Amino acid sequence: DAKTTQPTSMDCAEGRAANLPCNHSTISGNEYVYWYRQIHSQGPQYIIHGLKNNETNEMASLIITEDRKSSTLILPHATLRDTAVYYCIVRRPNAGKSTFGDGTTLTVKP
Amino acid sequence: NAGVTQTPKFQVLKTGQSMTLQCAQDMNHEYMSWYRQDPGMGLRLIHYSVGAGITDQGEVPNGYNVSRSTTEDFPLRLLSAAPSQTSVYFCASREDRDFTDTQYFGPGTRLTVL
Repeated sequence: DAKTTQPTSMDCAEGRAANLPCNHSTISGNEYVYWYRQIHSQGPQYIIHGLKNNETNEMASLIITEDRKSSTLILPHATLRDTAVYYCIVRRPNAGKSTFGDGTTLTVKP
Repeated sequence: NAGVTQTPKFQVLKTGQSMTLQCAQDMNHEYMSWYRQDPGMGLRLIHYSVGAGITDQGEVPNGYNVSRSTTEDFPLRLLSAAPSQTSVYFCASREDRDFTDTQYFGPGTRLTVL
C-alpha cells in the first residue's frame, strides 16, 4: 500500500472550511484514498473515499488531484465537534491489511 | 446490529499476567483486525484476519496472539503482559464485498499494565 504524508496538526476557525491535505505520491492505479477520523477516546469513523473523481457526502468532500498524488479532505463548515484526528489511507480495496499513520490533529476554535 | 463489541472496557494487569481481549461483530464481515493506540499516537496494526481460520501479523505483533475460529469472533491474547503494552486496543471489522472498504471500529479496551 502507498505511504501517505499528512501535517501533524492544523487549526480552523468555527464556521470556516477545514482543508486537510494528504500526500500520496506513490499511489498505484488501483489504490483508493480513504479518510477516517477519530474523536477523542473513540474508535475511528469512516468519512469518505475516492479513486480519481471528486466525491462528496453529508460529512465532507474529497478532492483528488488529476495525477492522484495528493488529496484534500474538506469540511465545509467546521464545528467544534469536528475537532479530531483525521487519517488519510491509501490502499487497494478488499485486499488485506489496513494500516493507519499518525494522522492530522484538527482543532476547531471558537 | 450491535456492530463491533469489545470487552472489557477497562483492565488493569500486573506484569507477567496473561489475558484475552474479546472482540465480536455481527455484520458477517470477513476481515477483522486489532490495533493499539498509545497516548498521542496513531493506530498501529497488531494482527489481522481475512476470514475464519486465517490470521496474519501486522506492524507490532510481538507479545500478542490471535485466533479466528468463527467469522464473528477475533480474540486478542496477551501472553505475558508488560508495561509497554499499556495502551488502548481497538478491534475493527471490514466489509470486503464492494469498493467501499469501510472499517467499523469497536469502542476500545483501555489496558494498564503495572
